[in-house]
Amino acid sequence: AQSVTQLDSHVSVSEGTPVLLRCNYSSSYSPSLFWYVQHPNKGLQLLLKYTSAATLVKGINGFEAEFKKSETSFHLTKPSAHMSDAAEYFCVVSAYQAGTALIFGKGTTLSVSS
Amino acid sequence: ETGVTQTPRHLVMGMTNKKSLKCEQHLGHNAMYWYKQSAKKPLELMFVYNFKEQTENNSVPSRFSPECPNSSHLFLHLHTLQPEDSALYLCASSQGTPGIDNSPLHFGNGTRLTVT
Repeated sequence: AQSVTQLDSHVSVSEGTPVLLRCNYSSSYSPSLFWYVQHPNKGLQLLLKYTSAATLVKGINGFEAEFKKSETSFHLTKPSAHMSDAAEYFCVVSAYQAGTALIFGKGTTLSVSS
Repeated sequence: ETGVTQTPRHLVMGMTNKKSLKCEQHLGHNAMYWYKQSAKKPLELMFVYNFKEQTENNSVPSRFSPECPNSSHLFLHLHTLQPEDSALYLCASSQGTPGIDNSPLHFGNGTRLTVT
């Protein structure tokens, strides 16, 4: 079975400091992993995805994530936070053999203060 | 502009009302989805349509009735809802099948539903 755990429900950072949003996954198969972002009153938007190519994946808006099989992790990072990064972030796992379903994490709210 | 348009943005309805949510995608995608987003809970997949055919129904109560007249339009008909059905309802579309070919989902901005 597939599952995803976002380790922090809320992360607060200051503008200009690094961002780390943590995600662990469980999958019986080789997983594909995604990060989606949801700004207030908006739908979700794809940030980046890992599909068994390079383990370090670069996404939009300066975000990147590293797939670590030994740690079953897919943490999202950004070197320097911007006020516009304040949003809800979702880690998502899918697996080829698991059909069409994507498994969403509960989300991490990122707050950025000036 | 996300390419996926949902109307209305907000809806308040009583438990005896009948209403419908509408979703339209302008991306030429083959698959459309309804998700329910409740506070403090993961996104819940409700229905999946591929080429207008329903391919998944994740044990959704019959008071929710989807309709997909063509690949660009998706409706969610609501009747005799309960207060716990209050949530953000998100429509999404994809070109392929996310769980198989890793196609990304494209989401609308959602309909905020309040059941009184």
